[in-house]
Amino acid sequence: NAGVTQTPKFQVLKTGQSMTLQCAQDMNHNSMYWYRQDPGMGLRLIYYSASEGTTDKGEVPNGYNVSRLNKREFSLRLESAAPSQTSVYFCASSELGDINYEQYFGPGTRLTVT
Amino acid sequence: DQQVKQNSPSLSVQEGRISILNCDYTNSMFDYFLWYKKYPAEGPTFLISISSIKDKNEDGRFTVFLNKSAKHLSLHIVPSQPGDSAVYFCAASDYSTNAGKSTFGDGTTLTVKP
Repeated sequence: NAGVTQTPKFQVLKTGQSMTLQCAQDMNHNSMYWYRQDPGMGLRLIYYSASEGTTDKGEVPNGYNVSRLNKREFSLRLESAAPSQTSVYFCASSELGDINYEQYFGPGTRLTVT
Repeated sequence: DQQVKQNSPSLSVQEGRISILNCDYTNSMFDYFLWYKKYPAEGPTFLISISSIKDKNEDGRFTVFLNKSAKHLSLHIVPSQPGDSAVYFCAASDYSTNAGKSTFGDGTTLTVKP
């Protein structure tokens, strides 16, 4: 039981390049989320998917797209990377209706855009 | 406007003493509150939560107190241990309407000195 996995762990991009961050969970959760964390700041929600087949914008969606490929996988795409997107990206999943209602996080992807 | 605030970026306590981490929120629709702990180079992990129908929840050394009238919650760790040294994030959700989304504070770095 791996929980939430993310690939890659590290990535360096040049301005204008594109890439996709992958996320998968094996807990059969319906909801999945993408966050970014900048130094000294909390986690800000980029996009989320309440269930398979649905996606919605979070607090900071500009410059990103997402795909909920199936119940397990939720990917985040940067079409044209910018230095302002240098950050640590976390994927998370949760099950609505759980008593504790907590989110389970992956280990993060550290992205640098030069 | 930041809806969840952790006004102390850092806190240092001696091993064995009590650690008190504070969190304020502005959105009166929030009805579920969580604390997460984060070690460097790892994703956040769930620590403890509280529903707005309660004013206290306890789990071992960790207790969360909620004061709805003041829109304030606090996390007490007793006794503090060096392994508790980490960044602690407060998060809040509007459970009934929000598809599981949480709003995070900027975190408090706790250092427990041996």
